[in-house]
Amino acid sequence: NAGVTQTPKFRILKIGQSMTLQCTQDMNHNYMYWYRQDPGMGLKLIYYSVGAGITDKGEVPNGYNVSRSTTEDFPLRLELAAPSQTSVYFCASSRRGASGTDTQYFGPGTRLTVL
Amino acid sequence: AQKITQTQPGMFVQEKEAVTLDCTYDTSDPSYGLFWYKQPSSGEMIFLIYQGSYDQQNATEGRYSLNFQKARKSANLVISASQLGDSAMYFCAMREGNNFNKFYFGSGTKLNVKP
Repeated sequence: NAGVTQTPKFRILKIGQSMTLQCTQDMNHNYMYWYRQDPGMGLKLIYYSVGAGITDKGEVPNGYNVSRSTTEDFPLRLELAAPSQTSVYFCASSRRGASGTDTQYFGPGTRLTVL
Repeated sequence: AQKITQTQPGMFVQEKEAVTLDCTYDTSDPSYGLFWYKQPSSGEMIFLIYQGSYDQQNATEGRYSLNFQKARKSANLVISASQLGDSAMYFCAMREGNNFNKFYFGSGTKLNVKP
């Protein structure tokens, strides 16, 4: 049981390039999330998905796109990379969106630098 | 207004002593959840403890306990018997309502445990 996996671990992009950050979970979780963590800061929600085919914006969606064609995968697309997108990106999943003691499980993160 | 405030950028504690990390939150939603995560230097986010807004008792998980003071809107993390491996960043987070699409992190506290 690998949990949440992310690829790549590190990436350097030039301004204007595009790339896709991959995220896969094997826990059969319905809910998946993308966050970014800027240096010295907490995480901010970019996009989330409540199930295959359903996605919605979080707090900081500009400059990103997502898709969710399967339960397992939730890729994050950066179009026209900008230096402001230099950050560490975390993917997470949860069994459901509702509460209780349900928590999110995080992937190891992707460190992205845009030069 | 900040949803989660952590006022201690850095803390030192002697090994085997207890330490309290402060967290205050701001919400008008009667249903919310409070979380603490640990982020070691390796970068992954590790879930530590959860407190629901309707929970009558303070949450405990091993050496971690959450001092929940609802009227003061505070959710401090207490680590008892600190260990060298506790040195890490600690993030307080809040789920507002019953969905993780409203999930806010504080800026974190860096804890250093001295031998």
